[in-house]
Amino acid sequence: GQQLNQSPQSMFIQEGEDVSMNCTSSSIFNTWLWYKQDPGEGPVLLIALYKAGELTSNGRLTAQFGITRKDSFLNISASIPSDVGIYFCAGLAGGTSYGKLTFGQGTILTVHP
Amino acid sequence: GAVVSQHPSWVICKSGTSVKIECRSLDFQATTMFWYRQFPKQSLMLMATSNEGSKATYEQGVEKDKFLINHASLTLSTLTVTSAHPEDSSFYICSASRAGGEAFFGQGTRLTVV
Repeated sequence: GQQLNQSPQSMFIQEGEDVSMNCTSSSIFNTWLWYKQDPGEGPVLLIALYKAGELTSNGRLTAQFGITRKDSFLNISASIPSDVGIYFCAGLAGGTSYGKLTFGQGTILTVHP
Repeated sequence: GAVVSQHPSWVICKSGTSVKIECRSLDFQATTMFWYRQFPKQSLMLMATSNEGSKATYEQGVEKDKFLINHASLTLSTLTVTSAHPEDSSFYICSASRAGGEAFFGQGTRLTVV
């Protein structure tokens, strides 16, 4: 099935550094979601974006819904070791595909103390 | 956020047996739930869409007779892996969506078939 293009695939950073990852799509989405997944756990919703151009923050996390509705980015500021995990973007087209998400490939984040 | 509970969190079964995984939305009603499969360090692969009171919709390539889905109520969907084989070993995750469209995931089930 369709996937979003998420980059980078992996990142190795030092504690305290800022992180940025993004997703692009050839299709328009009505909602963009960012999730974090820890090993052996299900994804946890970090930020939900509902309007084109929307910029939303959740603590050290900031995400934006691209104006074209075909892209989104997630920034993590001042990373800490517990930020380690896999981050997924997901798009929701809406309409008859209610609740059916399209996922990015994931970004594996490693934070060195 | 909403709570979705998945049970069991891990299961080991013998080849040829069947395994049932439950997915419950604890604090909201979910007309639609989704079942995913995930391989190590890969993204989630949608297997099927579970609709309350009707048959599930399976993604291309997913065997409906092997992965039986039942959505008996607005808060419960079950996935049964029938006649499991080692190649069915994987991490299975369910999700449920609220009215706003956000999907909330269960904790996942690690299935190991020996």
